[in-house]
Amino acid sequence: AQTVTQSQPEMSVQEAETVTLSCTYDTSENNYYLFWYKQPPSRQMILVIRQEAYKQQNATENRFSVNFQKAAKSFSLKISDSQLGDTAMYFCAFRRLFSGSRLTFGEGTQLTVNP
Amino acid sequence: EAGVVQSPRYKIIEKKQPVAFWCNPISGHNTLYWYLQNLGQGPELLIRYENEEAVDDSQLPKDRFSAERLKGVDSTLKIQPAELGDSAVYLCASSSNRDTEKETQYFGPGTRLLVL
Repeated sequence: AQTVTQSQPEMSVQEAETVTLSCTYDTSENNYYLFWYKQPPSRQMILVIRQEAYKQQNATENRFSVNFQKAAKSFSLKISDSQLGDTAMYFCAFRRLFSGSRLTFGEGTQLTVNP
Repeated sequence: EAGVVQSPRYKIIEKKQPVAFWCNPISGHNTLYWYLQNLGQGPELLIRYENEEAVDDSQLPKDRFSAERLKGVDSTLKIQPAELGDSAVYLCASSSNRDTEKETQYFGPGTRLLVL
């Protein structure tokens, strides 16, 4: 079974600064997907970024980028130029490669961006 | 394009009462998921449908929970009877194996259940 661990229950950052959220996972599989989802107080879970394990290049989406270390089973999210709207719960998630498989989520990190 | 729709958004019931949640996935999405999210935790899968077939229901407490997706489109999740510990948010998600974004799961807003 796969497990996902987020060791930072809460983090805060000043507006316009950079913050990094940590995630580690455990799996015996070689190919899989990793995700970061954002859940604002409205509770709509929104995909932030996705990484395919078979790709060595780290994924980027505008201000969001990941540091994927496959050997270390680490998948951190970096948010640059933090904005007030980035305040949310962030979940790291793992998904096996086969079609339609479930997401396994971490416990989440509550990020607060301060003005 | 409309996203995943769920109703109701909030539900308060007394214990031992039945309750049902409804989900309409994104049009054309063949895979539908029901997740349970307890307060302060990440979601956990209850059941997954491929079209109208439940293909992963190992985490569904079948003594009190049931689900259906009769025509392979919208789905209903039912709890009967509800217990205090069922208070949580019930999330629905959908994905398509034809999705160019490689089966990204899109989530609905959830139904927050409070059992008194």
